[in-house]
Amino acid sequence: NAGVMQNPRHLVRRRGQEARLRCSPMKGHSHVYWYRQLPEEGLKFMVYLQKENIIDESGMPKERFSAEFPKEGPSILRIQQVVRGDSAAYFCASSPIMGELGDNEQFFGPGTRLTVL
Amino acid sequence: GQNIDQPTEMTATEGAIVQINCTYQTSGFNGLFWYQQHAGEAPTFLSYNVLDGLEEKGRFSSFLSRSKGYSYLLLKELQMKDSASYLCAVSIRNTDKLIFGTGTRLQVFP
Repeated sequence: NAGVMQNPRHLVRRRGQEARLRCSPMKGHSHVYWYRQLPEEGLKFMVYLQKENIIDESGMPKERFSAEFPKEGPSILRIQQVVRGDSAAYFCASSPIMGELGDNEQFFGPGTRLTVL
Repeated sequence: GQNIDQPTEMTATEGAIVQINCTYQTSGFNGLFWYQQHAGEAPTFLSYNVLDGLEEKGRFSSFLSRSKGYSYLLLKELQMKDSASYLCAVSIRNTDKLIFGTGTRLQVFP
């Protein structure tokens, strides 16, 4: 049973370019979460999606960032016109349907390390 | 607002016991997770507490007091491979999103 998959593992972009990060959740998982981890900092929630729906995007910057989780295919986190401050590790996590106790363990992917030159 | 505090760094000796504390002030608290993260790798699940008390799982135990907004992770019989960051995260009701602390970097010395 494959875990959460993310690609690419490393991505280098120049300022102003676009970055596309992909996440395939674990089989049977319908919830996807994106987190950002800046160097020497904790993970910060960005967005929570279910198939074709954004449930909570309270952690997403207002501009340049967008996320989707289409009916078919992986979830995509898209960053337009990247700036140096976007350099970070971006982790995707997935979980199954919410349990009664909210004890949904989130399984994390290996992350995509974005470097903006 | 949401606030989670844990020490930035800790050191311990192989074979010893270490306790990593986490305090939180959050609205909509559902439960508390502990994750382990080795440098450059993904966080991996260690424990989940939703009720007050101690949960034991092998060398690792986790404690929660909801009334005090306090949790700790206890690591026994430390091994060198336990050197990692330990992340305290609160699960928020109805969203399942996790609010993470900054993590505690633990270094285990021989």
